[in-house]
Amino acid sequence: QKEVEQNSGPLSVPEGAIASLNCTYSDRGSQSFFWYRQYSGKSPELIMSIYSNGDKEDGRFTAQLNKASQYVSLLIRDSQPSDSATYLCAVTPRYGNKLVFGAGTILRVKS
Amino acid sequence: DTEVTQTPKHLVMGMTNKKSLKCEQHMGHRAMYWYKQKAKKPPELMFVYSYEKLSINESVPSRFSPECPNSSLLNLHLHALQPEDSALYLCASSQVGQNTEAFFGQGTRLTVV
Repeated sequence: QKEVEQNSGPLSVPEGAIASLNCTYSDRGSQSFFWYRQYSGKSPELIMSIYSNGDKEDGRFTAQLNKASQYVSLLIRDSQPSDSATYLCAVTPRYGNKLVFGAGTILRVKS
Repeated sequence: DTEVTQTPKHLVMGMTNKKSLKCEQHMGHRAMYWYKQKAKKPPELMFVYSYEKLSINESVPSRFSPECPNSSLLNLHLHALQPEDSALYLCASSQVGQNTEAFFGQGTRLTVV
């Protein structure tokens, strides 16, 4: 079982729709959860962090965390073509000051 | 300021060369990281420094040698690399501990010929 799992996609949504990206993790003791956006040929850019159960909203982005189900999600409202990228879920495990990444989900927003 | 600066942006080196990648941050972070990313794959952790001391080495071959001369700088010394070591090398920094955000530099695209 991989430590962090994501559906690789691609996930295709029309412009203006809600994109829903999902991630599960295996270490129940994981403390911190992050979403990074990575454009082709560029480095990962942090877009959301979440540390406690529930929802966290920042502009068009909402991160959701359910520790009992070991599940993290990212919602992107009013999706734009510029949101087309790979979205990486990252988790800080119980032990170790490090990030463990999922394989990433490719998002394509079609105009 | 959430900037992590990496130099050079691109590097082509032969298998017998010695080169170094550099990373600098001025955010007061005391944890710094090297990740390696191959095409269409997620970043893979190589090394972690906490308070300028090596805390994690993910069984990286000795041809990669990290160095943290001070709290703002991180180097990765390269020697006798193989073509399969060609990748995007990413530096990141964060505060030490849980619930801290890590920020990445723009990366160094390394090609070994």
